[in-house]
Amino acid sequence: GENVEQHPSTLSVQEGDSAVIKCTYSDSASNYFPWYKQELGKRPQLIIDIRSNVGEKKDQRIAVTLNKTAKHFSLHITETQPEDSAVYFCAASFYTNAGKSTFGDGTTLTVKP
Amino acid sequence: DAGVIQSPRHEVTEMGQEVTLRCKPISGHDYLFWYRQTMMRGLELLIYFNNNVPIDDSGMPEDRFSAKMPNASFSTLKIQPSEPRDSAVYFCASSYRPNTEAFFGQGTRLTVV
Repeated sequence: GENVEQHPSTLSVQEGDSAVIKCTYSDSASNYFPWYKQELGKRPQLIIDIRSNVGEKKDQRIAVTLNKTAKHFSLHITETQPEDSAVYFCAASFYTNAGKSTFGDGTTLTVKP
Repeated sequence: DAGVIQSPRHEVTEMGQEVTLRCKPISGHDYLFWYRQTMMRGLELLIYFNNNVPIDDSGMPEDRFSAKMPNASFSTLKIQPSEPRDSAVYFCASSYRPNTEAFFGQGTRLTVV
């Protein structure tokens, strides 16, 4: 089955700095890569996703890049703010498996004011 | 739509008791997923349904766990008998199509003492 590895497990940055979280996946059939943000005590919520026919996608301060050859994808957050502090999960899935997502272990991001 | 609704939000039960968690997916969503979240194991997919039919239950840890979806608007996850190691947050999620955003419920925090 699919295996998703996520690094780092914790990340601390100063407000205004950039943060990068990286994930690798094992199954070359995977073609959908969502990122979820989970604030303390809350549910995971999608913040951005990318499909395998696209190399990069941006949404304001958030961007995701995908390298299919190397089987890795990354989340980039620029101009970080204290409200970005949360646990971020990457995931990978493929259409023929009904989009059953395999999640990474999560990255705890702390943005210090 | 009010989103994915789970009940109860918190459940404390004694070892050996039966526990039933409930989920109402978003109307029109054909896919329903049950996840378990713990510090040790992260977010694990237990089982998912397509059009009320269980498709993949390979993540269900033991025979003590069972899940049903009698209709498109209701699903249950049952643990019988419960054990302290079942303590976790259980999330239900639904999605419209494969490889699209999964909308999570608020979760049920289960504590087995």
